[in-house]
Amino acid sequence: GQQVMQIPQYQHVQEGEDFTTYCNSSTTLSNIQWYKQRPGGHPVFLIQLVKSGEVKKQKRLTFQFGEAKKNSSLHITATQTTDVGTYCCAEGNTDKLIFGTGTRLQVFP
Amino acid sequence: DTGVSQDPRHKITKRGQNVTFRCDPISEHNRLYWYRQTLGQGPEFLTYFQNEAQLEKSRLLSDRFSAERPKGSFSTLEIQRTEQGDSAMYLCASSLGISGGELDTQYFGPGTRLTVL
Repeated sequence: GQQVMQIPQYQHVQEGEDFTTYCNSSTTLSNIQWYKQRPGGHPVFLIQLVKSGEVKKQKRLTFQFGEAKKNSSLHITATQTTDVGTYCCAEGNTDKLIFGTGTRLQVFP
Repeated sequence: DTGVSQDPRHKITKRGQNVTFRCDPISEHNRLYWYRQTLGQGPEFLTYFQNEAQLEKSRLLSDRFSAERPKGSFSTLEIQRTEQGDSAMYLCASSLGISGGELDTQYFGPGTRLTVL
């Protein structure tokens, strides 16, 4: 089974509201990658974090890696309807990806 | 389109039948991965190839599952004697095969959705 837990499982927001999803692991992660999967689509790579406490931004998306490298978060500011989809974190582990359970985001206009 | 392609996109079969899926990776990519995704879950790793060599298999890959990449290009995933629990999206991904600590981004195909009746 999957070793990386994600919360929440679902999130419904009004367009313009912020959204955050959290990834948690019981063990230290070597890295954390984030993927977006549109409804009916396939995972698309967003970003990778490697360093303890690392923060990266992509326009309205902010990614953080915890100091202990056991958790990570993705924050979207002022959501838009195009942000709809499932956001999955994953650890790159000896050439394979171990995915979290994913957070499905629904944005209402 | 020069991305990862998968065929078929959808497959409906009866329990007990065999099915085979094909994946064509991005042409210069050495590594090819198979994942399975069920509703409401993230993808789960099944197996991967470095060129022709199958380097790792998950315990999820029972003896009814077999994957090949005979010429180091396209790959096939066969499921024998399908069961209802095999119903899922089967995703293929490929990557360049960069080693040495650099990010080796995986690019996913559109997937094959299998329904076992």
